[in-house]
Amino acid sequence: AQTVTQSQPEMSVQEAETVTLSCTYDTSESDYYLFWYKQPPSRQMILVIRQEAYKQQNATENRFSVNFQKAAKSFSLKISDSQLGDAAMYFCAYRSSNDMRFGAGTRLTVKP
Amino acid sequence: DAGITQSPRYKITETGRQVTLMCHQTWSHSYMFWYRQDLGHGLRLIYYSAAADITDKGEVPDGYVVSRSKTENFPLTLESATRSQTSVYFCASSGLAVYEQYFGPGTRLTVT
Repeated sequence: AQTVTQSQPEMSVQEAETVTLSCTYDTSESDYYLFWYKQPPSRQMILVIRQEAYKQQNATENRFSVNFQKAAKSFSLKISDSQLGDAAMYFCAYRSSNDMRFGAGTRLTVKP
Repeated sequence: DAGITQSPRYKITETGRQVTLMCHQTWSHSYMFWYRQDLGHGLRLIYYSAAADITDKGEVPDGYVVSRSKTENFPLTLESATRSQTSVYFCASSGLAVYEQYFGPGTRLTVT
């Protein structure tokens, strides 16, 4: 079965600084997607960024970017110029045609 | 308004009772999903549906029943609730070709 591991239960960053959240996954499939979701205290799950496995280029969405290392099965999220509103739980997720797995999450604190 | 809704938002029930959580989406997405969220586990997939009248088990299906007679609705039933089913339940949907999921606001279920 596919697994998704987030090895950092908690992370902290100073406002305006950069932070990287780690994620590794295990799969035998070749066609899949990877996602980062943000969950603020409101509990709403919000898509941050997605990466198609067949694409070599790392996805970028404004201040959010990923480092996708397919051979290493690694998918880290970099948040640049961190803002107070970035404080939330962040979940790494894997999806294939017949499976969807989430990591246990990383709680990000942003210090003013 | 277009989107994905869940009802009720909060529910308290007793052990052994049947309870149904409702999920409705207005995007005509083919795929719908049910997850539970517990501390330390992230989100775990309970059931998913690729289309009306097609459902499949996820990672933790035991104790749950789903149906999908209409594309827009995907109810989740706990036939005989147990305390271990106390959790926050999320419904999500996604289109056939677009793999990111859109989540409902969640239902907090407490089984006493």
